Amino acid sequence: NAGVMQNPRHLVRRRGQEARLRCSPMKGHSHVYWYRQLPEEGLKFMVYLQKENIIDESGMPKERFSAEFPKEGPSILRIQQVVRGDSAAYFCASSPPRGASYEQYFGPGTRLTVT
Amino acid sequence: AQKVTQAQTEISVVEKEDVTLDCVYETRDTTYYLFWYKQPPSGELVFLIRRNSFDEQNEISGRYSWNFQKSTSSFNFTITASQVVDSAVYFCARRAGGTSYGKLTFGQGTILTVHP
Repeated sequence: NAGVMQNPRHLVRRRGQEARLRCSPMKGHSHVYWYRQLPEEGLKFMVYLQKENIIDESGMPKERFSAEFPKEGPSILRIQQVVRGDSAAYFCASSPPRGASYEQYFGPGTRLTVT
Repeated sequence: AQKVTQAQTEISVVEKEDVTLDCVYETRDTTYYLFWYKQPPSGELVFLIRRNSFDEQNEISGRYSWNFQKSTSSFNFTITASQVVDSAVYFCARRAGGTSYGKLTFGQGTILTVHP
């Protein structure tokens, strides 16, 4: 049973480019969370999605960041016009449907470097 | 914001020593969940334990044990007879209860280094 998959594992972008980070949840999981870990800091919640719905985006920066979790395919975190401050590790987590365990299972992360 | 505080930024011990990682949380919720995650040097996050607010029993799993004290809003983690492989960043986290879902609020993490 494959775990949460994230790709790419490492991503380098120049300032002003777009970054697309993908997350495939564990099989049977329909809830996806994105977290960001800035250097020397803990993880900060960004957004929580279910299939085709954004449930909580209280941690998303107001500009340049967007997320989706379509009916088919992975969840995508999109950062437009990246800046140096976006350099961080971005983690995706998934959890199973209601009635099952409450844990969030994390992927290996995508390390974004903006040059 | 209801914070999670891990006051120890870094801890360094020698192999076989016992070590306790502190975690203090703030909450206005009646029901909530507490977690510990481990982030080894390879970078992934590994789930260690979940504790419900209504269950104050301490838990032991091998060399790991957790002490949950609601009266002091603490959820401390002890590693007995530490090993070099325990070297990692450890995060404490909290989630509001009431539903099965919701965001985790993490502490800043404690970097544990176990020397041979």
